Amino acid sequence: SQQGEEDPQALSIQEGENATMNCSYKTSINNLQWYRQNSGRGLVHLILIRSNEREKHSGRLRVTLDTSKKSSSLLITASRAADTASYFCATGAGGSYIPTFGRGTSLIVHP
Amino acid sequence: KAGVTQTPRYLIKTRGQQVTLSCSPISGHRSVSWYQQTPGQGLQFLFEYFSETQRNKGNFPGRFSGRQFSNSRSEMNVSTLELGDSALYLCASSLETGYSYEQYFGPGTRLTVT
Repeated sequence: SQQGEEDPQALSIQEGENATMNCSYKTSINNLQWYRQNSGRGLVHLILIRSNEREKHSGRLRVTLDTSKKSSSLLITASRAADTASYFCATGAGGSYIPTFGRGTSLIVHP
Repeated sequence: KAGVTQTPRYLIKTRGQQVTLSCSPISGHRSVSWYQQTPGQGLQFLFEYFSETQRNKGNFPGRFSGRQFSNSRSEMNVSTLELGDSALYLCASSLETGYSYEQYFGPGTRLTVT
């Protein structure tokens, strides 16, 4: 079963705009990761945020985690056409080393 | 370092046949996980191997099996293929740090069952 659920399922924006994707999960987690997948390819790890962290930045990416609401958001600032991809959140919980992936948000950035 | 490699990249098989997919992890990574990705079910975990032992297993039938060699390379096998096995099969290797770890994915093997 999927632990994380991304919202929205699809997002279409213009180049230069910001893109925000959300991830909600149901049980307590140790950490949450975001991955990007270009069409039909492998996933690329973007950022990991631990349960005791509230915000992390990496370049144009900003991730927040609210454990009280069991939710996370990924913000991509000043988006580019090359950001067009699917974005997945993956939660790590309990004694399991295996992250559980959501179904992803499909982002299209129009040039 | 070279990334995770998967072979073959594309494969077409007939129902009832069997298939073996190969994955070479990043040098030094001892954990290899396999995932099945389909439009309907999303990314589903198949199994994970660590130091030649299956450490974790997802909820897939016994037709799906795997193994890991002493050099950490891994193979997965699907016997008696069904149409529903058509999917992108992704392999990921990782270097454990703490409770969970970042996974480095290969480009995937696109399997089509006809």
